[in-house]
Amino acid sequence: GENVEQHPSTLSVQEGDSAVIKCTYSDSASNYFPWYKQELGKRPQLIIDIRSNVGEKKDQRIAVTLNKTAKHFSLHITETQPEDSAVYFCAASIIGGSTLGRLYFGRGTQLTVWP
Amino acid sequence: GAGVSQSPSNKVTEKGKDVELRCDPISGHTALYWYRQRLGQGLEFLIYFQGNSAPDKSGLPSDRFSAERTGESVSTLTIQRTQQEDSAVYLCASSLAGGGRSEQFFGPGTRLTVL
Repeated sequence: GENVEQHPSTLSVQEGDSAVIKCTYSDSASNYFPWYKQELGKRPQLIIDIRSNVGEKKDQRIAVTLNKTAKHFSLHITETQPEDSAVYFCAASIIGGSTLGRLYFGRGTQLTVWP
Repeated sequence: GAGVSQSPSNKVTEKGKDVELRCDPISGHTALYWYRQRLGQGLEFLIYFQGNSAPDKSGLPSDRFSAERTGESVSTLTIQRTQQEDSAVYLCASSLAGGGRSEQFFGPGTRLTVL
């Protein structure tokens, strides 16, 4: 089955700096890659996603890039703010495939943004 | 509108006891997923329901785990003869369409502690 690896496990940055979180996946059939943000004690919330027919997607300070050949995708947060502090999870799934859309998650990255 | 809700929010039980966790999906969402999140880990898939189709139980870790869903409404996850390794946060998610074709919205989770 699919295996998603995520690095780093912890990341500390100064407010205003950029943060990059990287994930790799193993199943070349995966075609959907969401990123979830989970604040302490809260539920995971989708912040951005990308499908395999696109190489990059941006939403204000957040961007995701996908390299299908290398089977890796990354989350980029620019101009970080203290409220960006949370655990970020990457995930991979196959839309319409035999795995029925289940999400395979990385282990998470604890991002801390220092004021 | 109302999001996914889960109950109880916290459950402490003794080893060997049975527990039942409840998930109320967003109204109209045909697909429902259960995930388990162990401390410091990503979410791992447990089971998937789509409409009236047979559920995908391939993620259930042992035969002590079972789940039911009535139509497109409430789902219950039952763990029999709980073990300490069952301690985790159990999250449910629902989506408008199945097969991964639409965003999964997560509930707040049930934190299960087995003493």
